[in-house]
Amino acid sequence: KAGVTQTPRYLIKTRGQQVTLSCSPISGHRSVSWYQQTPGQGLQFLFEYFSETQRNKGNFPGRFSGRQFSNSRSEMNVSTLELGDSALYLCASRGRENSPLHFGNGTRLTVT
Amino acid sequence: DQQVKQNSPSLSVQEGRISILNCDYTNSMFDYFLWYKKYPAEGPTFLISISSIKDKNEDGRFTVFLNKSAKHLSLHIVPSQPGDSAVYFCAASPRDAGNMLTFGGGTRLMVKP
Repeated sequence: KAGVTQTPRYLIKTRGQQVTLSCSPISGHRSVSWYQQTPGQGLQFLFEYFSETQRNKGNFPGRFSGRQFSNSRSEMNVSTLELGDSALYLCASRGRENSPLHFGNGTRLTVT
Repeated sequence: DQQVKQNSPSLSVQEGRISILNCDYTNSMFDYFLWYKKYPAEGPTFLISISSIKDKNEDGRFTVFLNKSAKHLSLHIVPSQPGDSAVYFCAASPRDAGNMLTFGGGTRLMVKP
């Protein structure tokens, strides 16, 4: 079974631009979450989607948004990029409730 | 306010010995706990989990212990192998929190041959 796939692996953007990251969950998984990892703040929860609906949202500004499609694939968008948005963005999927999250290898975003 | 803390940023252990990684939490609503391992340039890989109704869970070389009264959990790796060298994260969530995990800051484990 293929794991969680995230594209692209690396991205360089300029301050003020916007970016869209993509995630394909493990086949059959309907729940997708996004996390941000930075050296200063560690791994932080961004949001969670299930059956195309946002189920939970972390403490991030409205510039961070996401969506999930009917095939469970998900995208997250960051608008008006700031230098502090430079991070590793991780997508995770889960099958049944109370089973562990399985993470992709992330997208490394650098904002210059 | 860090609700999940891993107070040791790094740990060095000899191959074949036991590795003990520790994690403390403050939120008494947490009732599901997990350990993940992370290699550079890869996403976290799930290792083992435990729910609050248990105090121990074993899977091969990995055992997680939960002390609810102390709000403390630990991961034991026996015997440690050089391939175990990685950053280990503990994570916690309340019941019915979906995928909303709170992670600790991680502990870098180095297993020396």
